[in-house]
Amino acid sequence: GEDVEQSLFLSVREGDSSVINCTYTDSSSTYLYWYKQEPGAGLQLLTYIFSNMDMKQDQRLTVLLNKKDKHLSLRIADTQTGDSAIYFCAEIPTSGTYKYIFGTGTRLKVLA
Amino acid sequence: EPEVTQTPSHQVTQMGQEVILRCVPISNHLYFYWYRQILGQKVEFLVSFYNNEISEKSEIFDDQFSVERPDGSNFTLKIRSTKLEDSAMYFCASSRDSNTGELFFGEGSRLTVL
Repeated sequence: GEDVEQSLFLSVREGDSSVINCTYTDSSSTYLYWYKQEPGAGLQLLTYIFSNMDMKQDQRLTVLLNKKDKHLSLRIADTQTGDSAIYFCAEIPTSGTYKYIFGTGTRLKVLA
Repeated sequence: EPEVTQTPSHQVTQMGQEVILRCVPISNHLYFYWYRQILGQKVEFLVSFYNNEISEKSEIFDDQFSVERPDGSNFTLKIRSTKLEDSAMYFCASSRDSNTGELFFGEGSRLTVL
């Protein structure tokens, strides 16, 4: 079945770049998403990429998609303490399903 | 900015009791979802709802669970007889589109079953 995997933790120093990685199994996914969950809050969409793209840049965020390896990454440039949160990768399997498949989430800790 | 609101933020209940979690999705959205996140685990899909009926449900969403949109604005999740393993954060979400748009999540309702 569909599955999305992420590493659980990442720790970086303030000002450095963070790279959060994700692998997925459903090669027919049309869209892949990155959501952010701050403590005590719901998930908030950060960015998404359409499957026919290799890269998408949005201010400090860069999403890279390697369809051959089914690998998605999120790079945060100049990471700030406010970026500390859990980051979820998600895919939408095609074939008319409505469910989003989320990864385990990567907890990013930014050290001052 | 429109948002999805959920109540209660935290509910503690005894095993075997019925629980209703409430959600007010964004008003012009057509698709509604419930997800849950057991502490330390993945966010799991429970159910999607469109046009006043369930579109899809997961294996988790058994006969103990039901959803309803009773009045055109609220979207509720009912658990008939709670079990210890139902303890989780339950997130409601809504979207305009079925598989091209983003999901807008509420802040979640934490359910603790004792």
